[in-house]
Parts: sequence; structure tokens; C-alpha cells
Amino acid sequence: DGGITQSPKYLFRKEGQNVTLSCEQNLNHDAMYWYRQDPGQGLRLIYYSQIVNDFQKGDIAEGYSVSREKKESFPLTVTSAQKNPTAFYLCASSVAGTGLRNEKLFFGSGTQLSVL
Amino acid sequence: AQSVTQLGSHVSVSEGALVLLRCNYSSSVPPYLFWYVQYPNQGLQLLLKYTSAATLVKGINDFEAEFKKSETSFHLTKPSAHMSDAAEYFCAVSESANQAGTALIFGKGTTLSVSS
Repeated sequence: DGGITQSPKYLFRKEGQNVTLSCEQNLNHDAMYWYRQDPGQGLRLIYYSQIVNDFQKGDIAEGYSVSREKKESFPLTVTSAQKNPTAFYLCASSVAGTGLRNEKLFFGSGTQLSVL
Repeated sequence: AQSVTQLGSHVSVSEGALVLLRCNYSSSVPPYLFWYVQYPNQGLQLLLKYTSAATLVKGINDFEAEFKKSETSFHLTKPSAHMSDAAEYFCAVSESANQAGTALIFGKGTTLSVSS
């Protein structure tokens, strides 16, 4: 079945540690996105990528980094510079990132990141 | 800049009652609007979307939404609530005015509770 896989489901970070959240899709989608979800704040865009080897900052990119070396993969690294990383992280993809504002986003099941 | 406001962070209805979840948007360009649903510990699923065709949009599970330009609203309704409708609902607007990306701006979400 086609879809988006996020791993791990739960992740714990120690003080000063970088952690990487995985997002893989087999939908052959060009565009991929990372959102952060906090209670009462909805979803906020961290980074997005419209095509391989290219990505743009979203609204809250500080303290995060991404890479897009392969079409199917868009890992998110939460760096030690992110002082409040505890949140639910959602990865999404869409067919084409270079057009179609009415595109549907497909979401993964999320990763809950907590600080030890 | 585009934005979305969901009125009411929590809505409670009885099973069989009308569901009304409110969403207002602001946009300097004709908007594309979406409603997503999130069940506990899962990603988001698209319920329906408005893309400048018919103003009354029908989605899955008997949900529908009406685009009202004069009121800048896109409220979500369902004639008769089921227990399985209990979830968090997000309204979203397409961010870009141009063709260079489809990242969405989400509202803060409304939690729907359904009692028997």
C-alpha cells in the first residue's frame, strides 16, 4: 500500500542532543513537508521541499534542519538549538510542489518528541 | 498574509445532533480552503476542499462545507453526529498566491466531542 511512514512513533531527547525524525513516502510525490503540532496551536510549518535537493524554511525553521537527497525521504533533525522541542511532528507530502494550490496533503501518523 | 481562525476550540454535541464547526479566513487572493480531521495519535485526513468551483462542497462521512465570500467563512457541518466523529478538526488555507508551493496555513483546531 502507498503511504507515508514516520518513525519512530515516540522519541526522547536529552539536553543538548540532536535527534532525527524519519519520513519516507512511496507515493512518488514531489513535495514533502514537516509540521509541528502543539496543543491549542494547530499545525505550524517547519520546512518544505518541492523537489529533490531543494527545500525552503517555513514559519518556525529555527532550531531545525532537513535534507532531501532522495525523492522518497525527507528527514527532520531537531538540533540542540531548538529549546522547546516537545511536540507532535507530522510529515506530509503532495503530488507536485510547483503548482496546484488545491493539492491534497497526505500525512504520516506522526512522531511524538519529548525531552528527558 | 493568509490566516485562518477557528471559532471555538471545543465543541460538544449529542449523537444525532447537528455538527457545526466554524472557520473564517483572510486572504488577499481567492482562497483554496480545506478541512482536515485528526483522530487520536494519527495524522490528518482530508475531509473536503474548496477550489473555486461549487460553493457547497461535499466531503467524506456526510460532512459538507459552504464557502461564503461575503462572510469570509468556510464552516463545516454534518446533519447527524456519530460517536465516531469525535476527533480534532482543522481548517486550512492554501498559502501561496503563486504556483511555487502548496504549503497550507492551518487553524488552531477544534476538538469535537460526541456524547450518547
